[in-house]
Amino acid sequence: NAGVMQNPRHLVRRRGQEARLRCSPMKGHSHVYWYRQLPEEGLKFMVYLQKENIIDESGMPKERFSAEFPKEGPSILRIQQVVRGDSAAYFCASSPPWYPGNTIYFGEGSWLTVV
Amino acid sequence: GESVGLHLPTLSVQEGDNSIINCAYSNSASDYFIWYKQESGKGPQFIIDIRSNMDKRQGQRVTVLLNKTVKHLSLQIAATQPGDSAVYFCAEKENQFYFGTGTSLTVIP
Repeated sequence: NAGVMQNPRHLVRRRGQEARLRCSPMKGHSHVYWYRQLPEEGLKFMVYLQKENIIDESGMPKERFSAEFPKEGPSILRIQQVVRGDSAAYFCASSPPWYPGNTIYFGEGSWLTVV
Repeated sequence: GESVGLHLPTLSVQEGDNSIINCAYSNSASDYFIWYKQESGKGPQFIIDIRSNMDKRQGQRVTVLLNKTVKHLSLQIAATQPGDSAVYFCAEKENQFYFGTGTSLTVIP
């Protein structure tokens, strides 16, 4: 999927633990998006970031979830005190600075299972 | 953001037939649309896009049609193959990209 790298691919956490999901965008891409997908459902927007800046976090739950995209290193989606309802696939996508016609390219996803 | 909806959650077609997958969007200000294909256990894969100043765009075996009057998108797949079996999502660009629930396409050999 066009070079967007996500890890881990699969993560199992017990209730109350923390989950950290990482996303390295495609080379040359400065914008990162995180989406959540529940089984048999569509992709729900969570957050849109560029380096060192959150552009839109309107889809992020108010508590326990945070995201960052530092100047150096991957973007990280952090879920604190996970609950079973957090079990889902989390997809990262990246794009260059947006103009009409710049699509977003997805990684292969990180599957979080909370037990 | 505005919702993006799909007319049909599932679609079955015979191998070799043409497939048409529909999508309704609600934000008339959206100016860019994309179709993605997602296979089981994988990330969405870009298929084709279209800007709002166009009403048709063709790719290899795929065509996207945009009807802004009724806010409707469709994806046409010619000569559908077993490898086309997947879930197809349309996405609209408002401030971000918003996705519909998806249509599951099954190709019957």
